Amino acid sequence: DAGVTQSPTHLIKTRGQQVTLRCSPKSGHDTVSWYQQALGQGPQFIFQYYEEEERQRGNFPDRFSGHQFPNYSSELNVNALLLGDSALYLCASSRLAGAGGNTIYFGEGSWLTVV
Amino acid sequence: AQTVTQSQPEMSVQEAETVTLSCTYDTSESDYYLFWYKQPPSRQMILVIRQEAYKQQNATENRFSVNFQKAAKSFSLKISDSQLGDAAMYFCAYRVQETSGSRLTFGEGTQLTVNP
Repeated sequence: DAGVTQSPTHLIKTRGQQVTLRCSPKSGHDTVSWYQQALGQGPQFIFQYYEEEERQRGNFPDRFSGHQFPNYSSELNVNALLLGDSALYLCASSRLAGAGGNTIYFGEGSWLTVV
Repeated sequence: AQTVTQSQPEMSVQEAETVTLSCTYDTSESDYYLFWYKQPPSRQMILVIRQEAYKQQNATENRFSVNFQKAAKSFSLKISDSQLGDAAMYFCAYRVQETSGSRLTFGEGTQLTVNP
């Protein structure tokens, strides 16, 4: 049973460029969340997708957008990259948005470096 | 807004000894969930233990246990018989159920070093 998988694992982009990160949830999971973790800090919630809709959003600008596909996989897009967007981007999956106690599983993350 | 505070940026423990990591949180909710996650150098978040706020009994998972004080909004993690493999960053996290979904709010983390 594959867990949460993310791609790519590492990437380097230039300021102003756009990036797409991908996530496949754990089998049986229908809810995907994205978190940004800057070096030395705790993860910060970006947004959550359920039934192909954005259900909740954290305090991130519109440059951050996402999508969920019918197979529950998800993409995170960041436009007009800034140096401050350099971070580890974590994808998390679970069953049923709103069920606060369901276990959340994390992927290994995508390291984004903006130069 | 909910906040989670971990006041110990770094902790160290001798192998086989016990260590306690502190966490406090702020919320106006009465029903919520609390978690401790471990993040080793591989950076993957691994769930260590979870606590439902409506349960008075403290959660235990093998060598890991919590001291949940709801009135004080405190949620500490005790690691007994520490092992070298326990060395990692530990994050306390809070989650509340909402109709629109749910999110984890993390603390800033505590870096745990285990000395042989």
